[in-house]
Amino acid sequence: DAGVIQSPRHEVTEMGQEVTLRCKPISGHNSLFWYRQTMMRGLELLIYFNNNVPIDDSGMPEDRFSAKMPNASFSTLKIQPSEPRDSAVYFCASSFIQGSYNEQFFGPGTRLTVL
Amino acid sequence: AQSVTQPDIHITVSEGASLELRCNYSYGATPYLFWYVQSPGQGLQLLLKYFSGDTLVQGIKGFEAEFKRSQSSFNLRKPSVHWSDAAEYFCAVISGAGSYQLTFGKGTKLSVIP
Repeated sequence: DAGVIQSPRHEVTEMGQEVTLRCKPISGHNSLFWYRQTMMRGLELLIYFNNNVPIDDSGMPEDRFSAKMPNASFSTLKIQPSEPRDSAVYFCASSFIQGSYNEQFFGPGTRLTVL
Repeated sequence: AQSVTQPDIHITVSEGASLELRCNYSYGATPYLFWYVQSPGQGLQLLLKYFSGDTLVQGIKGFEAEFKRSQSSFNLRKPSVHWSDAAEYFCAVISGAGSYQLTFGKGTKLSVIP
């Protein structure tokens, strides 16, 4: 298995631009998680989906952030408009959850720099 | 809400020396506990996990961790560190059955001196 795939690996953009991060979970997994990692706040859960449905988006910082999962094999995290404080590493993770917790497998992350 | 504290931001050990990374959690019931490792530029890899049962759990790469309820701790240990163990280590907790949200500690960066 190729594992969780994220693209792009690095993104540099200017303030005000739209940014779209992409994630392909492990085939067969039914849950997908988006995390953000910064020096100040560490690793934070932004949103998670179960069976393509957003279950908890309480970690999404503000309306500029949105996430979608149109099917079981693809998810996007969009920031519009982007700001310098959005600079961070964004991780996607997937898991198969059925009644009880199971391991989350993390992708390599997307390093976002907003100038 | 649960929280995780990793009191050591950075630890340096010599290759071949033993290692213990500390983790304390705050949660009323028995949580699910995890240790992850992150190598530079990489995602997180699960080292080991504790859900219930034997309080000493074995993981990959020769790591083990011990759950101590009385101390609310889940410290990670390795008897002999290798240079390839240099990385950042994260302790994480889930509040239990029905919850899927991982809460991470701030991490401990491990440096290994040859």
